[in-house]
Amino acid sequence: DAKTTQPPSMDCAEGRAANLPCNHSTISGNEYVYWYRQIHSQGPQYIIHGLKNNETNEMASLIITEDRKSSTLILPHATLRDTAVYYCIVLSSNTGKLIFGQGTTLQVKP
Amino acid sequence: SAVISQKPSRDICQRGTSLTIQCQVDSQVTMMFWYRQQPGQSLTLIATANQGSEATYESGFVIDKFPISRPNLTFSTLTVSNMSPEDSSIYLCSVEDSIRWSTDTQYFGPGTRLTVL
Repeated sequence: DAKTTQPPSMDCAEGRAANLPCNHSTISGNEYVYWYRQIHSQGPQYIIHGLKNNETNEMASLIITEDRKSSTLILPHATLRDTAVYYCIVLSSNTGKLIFGQGTTLQVKP
Repeated sequence: SAVISQKPSRDICQRGTSLTIQCQVDSQVTMMFWYRQQPGQSLTLIATANQGSEATYESGFVIDKFPISRPNLTFSTLTVSNMSPEDSSIYLCSVEDSIRWSTDTQYFGPGTRLTVL
């Protein structure tokens, strides 16, 4: 299973874009990158996922490098309610299981 | 996606007792999973709940400690047996239906916060 590496914590000013990086250098060609977030011990919330192309939805944008070894989740206009732990996960093509790492704690500040 | 509920939302239990946690989905789903999140830690997959057959457990988790039922496509239970304080965690269920939803995305319930005294 491909492992991901994320910075343990980041700060962002309210109203600014939050750019959360993730390294997944051992990702296989058919494995997707998923992003979830968890707000204060609630159930994880699905944000976005992608394979090769950049993706955008109402919550965020996902930028995947051409070699697929890293990606960046972008929250375009962070609010205080975006303060959470953000998990970058490579979905195993063998097992279909989500393996959670420690994630990045994003603190959005006024 | 799906609407997922869990009961109870939280509980405080005495050591040596057992607690059964319920997970209900508002639509039929093929896959249901159970996770544990210990205090200050990330999520760990306990098992995959298979409809009509025994659950598939991850390394470090056994059926005697965490029996799971999945009687139909919308419901599953996880029992935490013979509890000790080390079982104090948030227990979460998730669901996936790649056939109906055309995606392998899992959606999570709100979790059950368990404290064992």
